[in-house]
Amino acid sequence: GENVEQHPSTLSVQEGDSAVIKCTYSDSASNYFPWYKQELGKRPQLIIDIRSNVGEKKDQRIAVTLNKTAKHFSLHITETQPEDSAVYFCAASITGGGADGLTFGKGTHLIIQP
Amino acid sequence: DGGITQSPKYLFRKEGQNVTLSCEQNLNHDAMYWYRQDPGQGLRLIYYSQIVNDFQKGDIAEGYSVSREKKESFPLTVTSAQKNPTAFYLCASSTYHGQGSEGYTFGSGTRLTVV
Repeated sequence: GENVEQHPSTLSVQEGDSAVIKCTYSDSASNYFPWYKQELGKRPQLIIDIRSNVGEKKDQRIAVTLNKTAKHFSLHITETQPEDSAVYFCAASITGGGADGLTFGKGTHLIIQP
Repeated sequence: DGGITQSPKYLFRKEGQNVTLSCEQNLNHDAMYWYRQDPGQGLRLIYYSQIVNDFQKGDIAEGYSVSREKKESFPLTVTSAQKNPTAFYLCASSTYHGQGSEGYTFGSGTRLTVV
């Protein structure tokens, strides 16, 4: 099955700086890559996603890039703010033909230092 | 709650007892999922269902059972065969467009503790 590796497990950045979280996946058939943000004690919320026919996608201060050849994708957050502090999860879908469940990375705890 | 409701929020289980976690959605989503979240382990898939009366095992299905008698409901039973059930359980749902899952909507979770 699919295996998703996520790094780093903890990331501390100064407020206003950029943060980058990286994920690799194992199954070349995966074609959907979402990112979730989970604040303490709350449910994960989808913040951005990308499909394999696109190399980059942006939404205000966040962006995701995908390298299909290398089988890795990254989340970029610019001009970080205190409310960006949370655990971020990347995920990949195993196949492109059905709702068979996402495989998640183990998460990155992002800490924004004031 | 974003259209998907989990109950109860906290649940305590005695040794040898089966317990059932509820998950209901009013989003008209076809697919529903159960994940288990442990510290440092991320989210691991227990079971998923694409349509009514059909479900599939995920990566860690042993000791769990599910049913999907209605589109809106996907309850999870944690049986006595699950030896380490203490965890945070998340239910999710998504639309299905034949090109892979759309983004999930998660419930607020159930924290299960063995006492």
